[in-house]
Amino acid sequence: QLVESGGGLVQPGGSLRLSCAASGFNFNNEYMSWVRQAPGKGLEWVAKIKPDGSQQYYVDSVKGRFAISRDNAKNSLYLQMNSLRAEDTALYYCARETWWRFDPWGQGTLVTVSS
Amino acid sequence: QSALTQPPSASGSPGQSVTISCTGTSSDVGRYDFVSWYQEHPGKAPKLIIFEVGKRPSGVPDRFSGSKSGNTASLTVSGLQAEDEADYYCSSYAGSLILFGGGTKLTVL
Repeated sequence: QLVESGGGLVQPGGSLRLSCAASGFNFNNEYMSWVRQAPGKGLEWVAKIKPDGSQQYYVDSVKGRFAISRDNAKNSLYLQMNSLRAEDTALYYCARETWWRFDPWGQGTLVTVSS
Repeated sequence: QSALTQPPSASGSPGQSVTISCTGTSSDVGRYDFVSWYQEHPGKAPKLIIFEVGKRPSGVPDRFSGSKSGNTASLTVSGLQAEDEADYYCSSYAGSLILFGGGTKLTVL
């Protein structure tokens, strides 16, 4: 099970930190990803992190602004989002990634960037 | 890289079969067999229904099947049921990232 939190309303240029609490599987051994869905739009993979946290990967549109991290002792995944833009408005899902497929997914946390 | 291309809508009557296409390029769908399909009901999280082109996770009915030819992957839903009405998304590994399609809204008439 994956449960996201931390979403909310933030002004353009602001920051937000999302969290995802994992349970029911061996979090320490799994790649984890964030995937977002803008209102009425399709899915977009955002970032992923290796099981030991040693390497991170990002979609070009968030490089330099977003940082994915994890705390394996707490079975938790994070997404630090800085310099937020209107186009970052979306429902953000965390998901376990195995061989480039996502399963399971959390229920998502909504991020709204607006003045 | 651009998103994968899916038709925005598809439809069929109960009991019929419907096929949804997902077109990419030789750098993603055409190169790798890491194509997945997800089902998304309104207000619910996406659910994995096909992975590695044609494999089904446990619990997914065998009415759902996947295939690939060249740069195009396909999802076929056979014996359509009312609960199959949902949005369907394809995804593909693309070397350094994962691409999704724009989604197809499947309507059961």
